[in-house]
Amino acid sequence: GAVVSQHPSRVICKSGTSVKIECRSLDFQATTMFWYRQFPKKSLMLMATSNEGSKATYEQGVEKDKFLINHASLTLSTLTVTSAHPEDSSFYICSASDRVGRGEKLFFGSGTQLSVL
Amino acid sequence: AQTVTQSQPEMSVQEAETVTLSCTYDTSENNYYLFWYKQPPSRQMILVIRQEAYKQQNATENRFSVNFQKAAKSFSLKISDSQLGDTAMYFCAFMTLNRDDKIIFGKGTRLHILP
Repeated sequence: GAVVSQHPSRVICKSGTSVKIECRSLDFQATTMFWYRQFPKKSLMLMATSNEGSKATYEQGVEKDKFLINHASLTLSTLTVTSAHPEDSSFYICSASDRVGRGEKLFFGSGTQLSVL
Repeated sequence: AQTVTQSQPEMSVQEAETVTLSCTYDTSENNYYLFWYKQPPSRQMILVIRQEAYKQQNATENRFSVNFQKAAKSFSLKISDSQLGDTAMYFCAFMTLNRDDKIIFGKGTRLHILP
């Protein structure tokens, strides 16, 4: 089945640094990928929709300059947390839609735990 | 805007029992998908079951089945013969079939299967 690979799984960084998270679709082309943020024991909050070859669409309240999204190819989307601060510490999950045929399904990466010191 | 509501924050049942998780949603769309996702302690999101809104027949996957009531906008998940490995957070989710196809999650139900 379709697989989405997300790296790194865990990152610890100092306040003020930038962190890049990668999300790859391994055996299908994903024109659209999604980035979610999840706080402990909470639901997934959609941050942005990443579209290949165009600008990402951000949800209301999500800072575009803080969370930079790049979707340069049909298999790779990246989320960069710029000038990270402790309040950015969270679990970030990407997902991609396999829209081949009529089998629309959403596959998730394994997530990235970001801890900003 | 679409919303998904899960009214049961937490539930506990004995192993081998049957449990039903509730989910309601609100939308003006006619064509959409509904999902139940499981998130175990590993935090990997796992698709449990999927229902297309245009299908009247309730989806079934082994011990998992849904009761889809389109008019009532209700989409409950029934887990039969529950197992210890079913312990997890369960999220009900909604996806429209428009260009963006973004998925909206409910707040989740934490399910504990007791030995």
